[in-house]
Order: sequence, then structure tokens, then C-alpha cells
Amino acid sequence: EVHLVQSGRNLVQPGGSLRLSCAASGFTFNDYWMTWVRQAPGKGLEWVANINRGGTVQYSADSVKGRFTVSRDNARNSLYLHMTSLRAEDTAVYYCARDAVAGRYYDSWGQGTLVTVSS
Amino acid sequence: EIVLTQSPATLSLSPGERATLSCRASQSVGNYLTWYQQKPGQAPRLLIYDTSRRATDIPARFSGSGSGTDFTLTISSLEPEDFAVYFCQQRSNWPTHFGGGTRVEI
Repeated sequence: EVHLVQSGRNLVQPGGSLRLSCAASGFTFNDYWMTWVRQAPGKGLEWVANINRGGTVQYSADSVKGRFTVSRDNARNSLYLHMTSLRAEDTAVYYCARDAVAGRYYDSWGQGTLVTVSS
Repeated sequence: EIVLTQSPATLSLSPGERATLSCRASQSVGNYLTWYQQKPGQAPRLLIYDTSRRATDIPARFSGSGSGTDFTLTISSLEPEDFAVYFCQQRSNWPTHFGGGTRVEI
């Protein structure tokens, strides 16, 4: 069974940095692209960033470009989101998700990590 | 950028009734339309991909249809566990975008 387990809640000040983690199990991690999606409180879903199987290609949304970086460690079956220069509008639940083989839709999701940016 | 508009925002129904949810795209997405279900406090769950293909373990009461710019998710007979928020997503153009969601409530 596929499992994606994320790190816990986080509170950070504006301008601060944070690294989110997502531990994968139950499948061959390096066979899949992986993605981060976020959801602001009471709002819809927003694609944030994704990374290819080998970790050599990454894409990110314009809203986080230059501030957030996605990475992975295939030896540890782990996905990361490095977040810098955090703003209040980055407050959201962040989900890691596995890309389906066909690409660009998500067939398994982590449980989510709440990131609160506040002073 | 392709914008997905879901309607209605809220659908108030009773168990056993039929639910029809709409997702309209601002330009054609072919058949690359996905539906997710999200319950309070939970992550989204994949329901339907490529317009009409049910994901693993999704009951047959869920079906998807449409093409181009107009898509529909139908729940033939609502079960109590189906009351949730439903999001559509397009993967035709990059970056991907999600619709604003439809809440199905009792």
C-alpha cells in the first residue's frame, strides 16, 4: 500500500525559512514524479512545485518561484520542500502527492502539513 | 492559463439522490480532466481521471463525462460518505490548475 507521511505543524515568522518532508513507502519511489500542492484555509487547491524521477528537473509556480525549491533523496525515499522568504499568504496546508504514471494528476496524497506564517 | 469554473458552489441533496457537478474550462483541455473528493480535515482523493476513468477502488456510482470545455461528475445515488467537496483539475496545459470546488452537503 502506498503511504506518504509528512512532517508535523509548523509556525514561522514572516521572512523565515522552513523545510517540509514527505516520507514515501509502499512503492518504488524513484519511478515517479512527485508534487507539492497547497491549500490556504477554506480555499481551493494550488499546485506549488514538482520534481522528476531523478531529481534533476524541477518546476514551480510563479507565486513561489525563487523562494521555494523542491528536492528529493531517492536513497531515503523522501521528498522535500525548501521554503524561504515566507509570507503570510503562504499560510496553507501543504500536501505532497505522487504523480500518476501518465503525469500531471495525483493518485496518492500525504496527510498534509499546516504551515502558518505569522509574527 | 486555463481557468476551471465549477458549479454550483454548493449542492444540497439527500442520501439516495443524484448529484450532478459541473466543471467548465476557459479553453479546451481535451479529455485531460480529473476529479478529486476531499472530506474535512483530509487530503484529496483521486476519483476520476481522463474525464471518465474511475480510479482504483472508486465505486461505480461515480461517473465522469464530457470533453473539450464542459465536464460533469455524476454521483448516481448519494451515500452518506459522499458528502464532501469535489475539485476538478486539468492536465492539458502547464501549469496545472484546479477548479474552486463544489461542496455537496445534506
